[in-house]
Amino acid sequence: DIQMTQSPSTLSASVGDRVTITCRASQNINNWLAWYQQKPGKAPSLLIYKASTLESGVPSRFSGSGSGTEFTLTISSLQPDDFATYYCQQYDSFWSFGQGTKVEIK
Amino acid sequence: QVQLVESGGGLVKPGGSLRLSCAASGFFFSDYYMHWVRQAPGKGLEWISYISRDGDAIYYADSVKGRFTISRDNAKNSLFLQMNNLRVEDTAVYFCARASDFWFDYWGQGTLVTVSS
Repeated sequence: DIQMTQSPSTLSASVGDRVTITCRASQNINNWLAWYQQKPGKAPSLLIYKASTLESGVPSRFSGSGSGTEFTLTISSLQPDDFATYYCQQYDSFWSFGQGTKVEIK
Repeated sequence: QVQLVESGGGLVKPGGSLRLSCAASGFFFSDYYMHWVRQAPGKGLEWISYISRDGDAIYYADSVKGRFTISRDNAKNSLFLQMNNLRVEDTAVYFCARASDFWFDYWGQGTLVTVSS
């Protein structure tokens, strides 16, 4: 099974900050990685797929990069609507998620 | 617009059964792969099952293999999850999710399953 590890688990930031979340895979997953945002009591929503392709309708302040085993999600200028939990997901071999990174208000 | 609406959750005793449904609308259901994903209270996301567009390929996470059965009825635009021999650790919100490729582009709002004596 492919294990996905995100860091940090919690991130405190302010509006306007540049935020980076890291996701590491236990083996090479090429670029078969997606990022999701989840707000409390809501379903996750897709942000990025194929490691760096922005889903339609997602603001351009979100970006993804990486390949192989290390990936990052960057929010260039944090907005009030961005305080949420973020999950990476691999789909190279079946599907599995990272444990999540909660972005909270500093 | 795309809608996925789960139903069938509730309180069940350990060892009991439940059948979850996911009603799809706003898109051509048979064109899409479908998944079930769950989230235990206060925890992260766990993928549990996949079914191909025509139902001929099915996969399960080890945690539910042999106890859960995924199925779909394309004529009724519906996805199902039959859950047998439920355990306390199966307590979670269960989401259905749509995939046109391998990532999940739409999710339902979820249905809560509570397994408790």
